[in-house]
Formats: sequence, C-alpha cells, structure tokens
Amino acid sequence: SAVISQKPSRDICQRGTSLTIQCQVDSQVTMMFWYRQQPGQSLTLIATANQGSEATYESGFVIDKFPISRPNLTFSTLTVSNMSPEDSSIYLCSVAQGSTNEKLFFGSGTQLSVL
Amino acid sequence: DQQVKQNSPSLSVQEGRISILNCDYTNSMFDYFLWYKKYPAEGPTFLISISSIKDKNEDGRFTVFLNKSAKHLSLHIVPSQPGDSAVYFCAASAQGQNFVFGPGTRLSVLP
Repeated sequence: SAVISQKPSRDICQRGTSLTIQCQVDSQVTMMFWYRQQPGQSLTLIATANQGSEATYESGFVIDKFPISRPNLTFSTLTVSNMSPEDSSIYLCSVAQGSTNEKLFFGSGTQLSVL
Repeated sequence: DQQVKQNSPSLSVQEGRISILNCDYTNSMFDYFLWYKKYPAEGPTFLISISSIKDKNEDGRFTVFLNKSAKHLSLHIVPSQPGDSAVYFCAASAQGQNFVFGPGTRLSVLP
C-alpha cells in the first residue's frame, strides 16, 4: 500500500484562524479523500480531492470552510478556515488503491484542537 | 439513515480467546467490505477486506465472514492479544465509491 504522510500531526489553534493540513503520497494515486473524525464519532467524508479540478464536497461541507487543493497525483491540502471549537477533530487524508480502487488507506491523521 | 451499523459499542475478551466483531449493512448495492483498526490519535489501519462474491476471507489471525442474505459481516480475531485492543471500524463501498463507515466497536483484550 502507499505510504501517506500527513502534517502537522497535531495543532492547537485559536478561534477564527485557519490551518492547512498537507498530505503527501509516495506514489501516484487517482482517488484521494479527506475525512473527519469528531470525538467519539465515526469517520465522515468531507470531500474527494480531484486532481486539476475543484473538489467534490459531501453534504454539510462547503468549499469556503474546507478549501482543498490537489495540484498533482501525489499531494493534497485541506484548509480548515475560520475555526471554531466545533472543528476540533482528527482530520484524515486517505487514498484508494487496488485493482478497482476498492481499498482505502489512511494517513496518520492531524489532531486539531481549537480553543 | 445509518447504512453501516456496529451495534456493540464495546467488547471485552480474555487474551487467547476469540474476538468476534459484528457489522450490519442496509444498502444492497455495497459490493466490498473492509475492517479497520484504530488507535487513539492515529489514522485507521486497514486489516482485511472481502468482496461480495465471497463469503470468507482469512489473513493470519483475522477472518472476515460475509452473509449477503442477512446483510451481515463479522471479524474474527483468534487468538486475541492485548495489542489488539483498539477501536474497530467496519466499512462498505459500492463500485469503489462512497466508502461508508460504521460507528466502531471498542475492543479490550484483557491479559
């Protein structure tokens, strides 16, 4: 499976600021996703990061709040904008691999706390 | 509407015994199922998966069983080890799209 490096691994941020999370994959991948895991909850898909075009957002997530970049097939960023304490979560980069992209692999995650 | 359900929030098992984690799904379009293990403050680790054309897949201590008619799958860990203590997520997808995760089951393996 691909090696997925995510940084920062954790951060503590002030309300109203923004944080950009980087995800680097050691091989070219077509499908790249951003997930969120709020405390005590399951994993929720934020968006699919599309190379060379705008990300596809899930219901409840908007580009102004979570802008995503995907300049190439190995790198993506997720920005959490104008943060509030409700944004405190683990943010996870993931890639799909396999003969039909049937398996999902995750980075180590970014633990975000907003004060 | 929860498409993937894990009805046991937690499970405790004695070391060396079998751990059985269960998962139910509602969407008959799902054709691929996965199990992940997650430690606190880390990303989920892929454990094992199964295609809907199979009813069993085994990898070392881990075996996944799929009962399509019941829309039910289970993960068996045998023998259970203290290092297996983690949260386990069941996930499902259709045509490699729209991976949906269950709420997770916290497994505690007691020494």
